[in-house]
Amino acid sequence: DAGVIQSPRHEVTEMGQEVTLRCKPISGHNSLFWYRQTMMRGLELLIYFNNNVPIDDSGMPEDRFSAKMPNASFSTLKIQPSEPRDSAVYFCASRSGTSGYEQYFGPGTRLTVT
Amino acid sequence: EDQVTQSPEALRLQEGESSSLNCSYTVSGLRGLFWYRQDPGKGPEFLFTLYSAGEEKEKERLKATLTKKESFLHITAPKPEDSATYLCAALRTGGFKTIFGAGTRLFVKA
Repeated sequence: DAGVIQSPRHEVTEMGQEVTLRCKPISGHNSLFWYRQTMMRGLELLIYFNNNVPIDDSGMPEDRFSAKMPNASFSTLKIQPSEPRDSAVYFCASRSGTSGYEQYFGPGTRLTVT
Repeated sequence: EDQVTQSPEALRLQEGESSSLNCSYTVSGLRGLFWYRQDPGKGPEFLFTLYSAGEEKEKERLKATLTKKESFLHITAPKPEDSATYLCAALRTGGFKTIFGAGTRLFVKA
């Protein structure tokens, strides 16, 4: 099992640019979560998908953030335009709908906006 | 409001010095209490799920226990490779949002 795959692992961009983060969940998992982690705020849930449908996006900071899940094996988180305060580590996690409630996290994308 | 609080924020141990990490939770109807380990530059790694008070789970030098208001992660005879941040999280029955604590950073010195 390859686990949750995220790309890129590191992203450095300038303020105002568009950033797209990608995630491939574990095969067979039907729930997908996007988190942001900073020293100050810890792990924050941004959006939750169940069976490819966005269920709750109340954690998305503002309209500059958007997320899609076009199929069961792929999701994107887009920031447009990016700002320095978006600098953080972004994690994708997936969860099985049939065996337990634990989440499995990807390695994360470290985003730096200058 | 659902809440998870971990203590201490940081813990420094000598190799072989056993100790416990605390996780206090306030959740209306607990579906599951989770422990994760996070190494620098990596994503959280799942360790245990506890479902009901009195339940215990073990893995190598780690043992997790659960009461109606707290969970403890006991570390027996730790080694330097146990150094990491340990995250506690809770999921409420009928909910989807897992509430994470801020974590305890554990340092084990050889």
